[in-house]
Amino acid sequence: GAVVSQHPSWVICKSGTSVKIECRSLDFQATTMFWYRQFPKQSLMLMATSNEGSKATYEQGVEKDKFLINHASLTLSTLTVTSAHPEDSSFYICSAWGAGDTDTQYFGPGTRLTVL
Amino acid sequence: AQTVTQSQPEMSVQEAETVTLSCTYDTSESDYYLFWYKQPPSRQMILVIRQEAYKQQNATENRFSVNFQKAAKSFSLKISDSQLGDAAMYFCAYRAYSGAGSYQLTFGKGTKLSVIP
Repeated sequence: GAVVSQHPSWVICKSGTSVKIECRSLDFQATTMFWYRQFPKQSLMLMATSNEGSKATYEQGVEKDKFLINHASLTLSTLTVTSAHPEDSSFYICSAWGAGDTDTQYFGPGTRLTVL
Repeated sequence: AQTVTQSQPEMSVQEAETVTLSCTYDTSESDYYLFWYKQPPSRQMILVIRQEAYKQQNATENRFSVNFQKAAKSFSLKISDSQLGDAAMYFCAYRAYSGAGSYQLTFGKGTKLSVIP
C-alpha cells in the first residue's frame, strides 16, 4: 500500500484570504498527485493533476489562477486557494498512485475548508 | 469518455446479511482496472477491492467480492455478513487513460449503505 497525508485536516478562513493545503506521500515518491473536490453527499470531482517539476493539468472549468498547485518535490504537492470566497468552502482530497502498486490510487484524509 | 454509473443512491442491509451494490461502466478499452472505494463518515477514502479486466476470476477480499461481467460492463460489489462498520458511501471507479502515459480515476456518484442492527 501507500500512505498519503494532508495538512491541515480542517481550516476556517475569512473571505479574501488565501489558504494552502499540503499533500504528502509518506513512504513513497509520487511524480503525480491528484486534487479532488467533494461537496456534501456528492462524488469526488477531479480538479487537477499535479506533476512533479512541471505545471499542473487542470480539468475543464477549474480556475487555475484561483487554485494554485505546486509539486516541488517527489513527496509534496500543495494546493493554494487564493482569495477564497464562501463558495470555495468544500472538502478537498489529494491522492497518488501507490508505490509498488502503481495501479491503485491512495487517498489522503482530506481537508475541510470553510470560508466565512 | 468513460462513464461510471451507480444506479442505487441508497441501500440498507440488516446486520449479518448480504447486500449487493451495482455499478456499470462504459468504455471502449479492453484492458483496464475497476475499483470499489469506501468512504465512511470520517471521509477517508479506503480501497475495498480491485479488479483487473484481463482477469476472468472475480476478485475477493474477505467478506467483499465482486461480480465482474466484462461483456455486460457490469461490476457489482457483494458484502457478506454485513457489519455495522460497513456503513459508508461506496464509490465505484474506473481507471481511465488520460494521455501521455497517465491515468486517472472516474468515479460513480456513490451508494450510501446503511447497516441496520
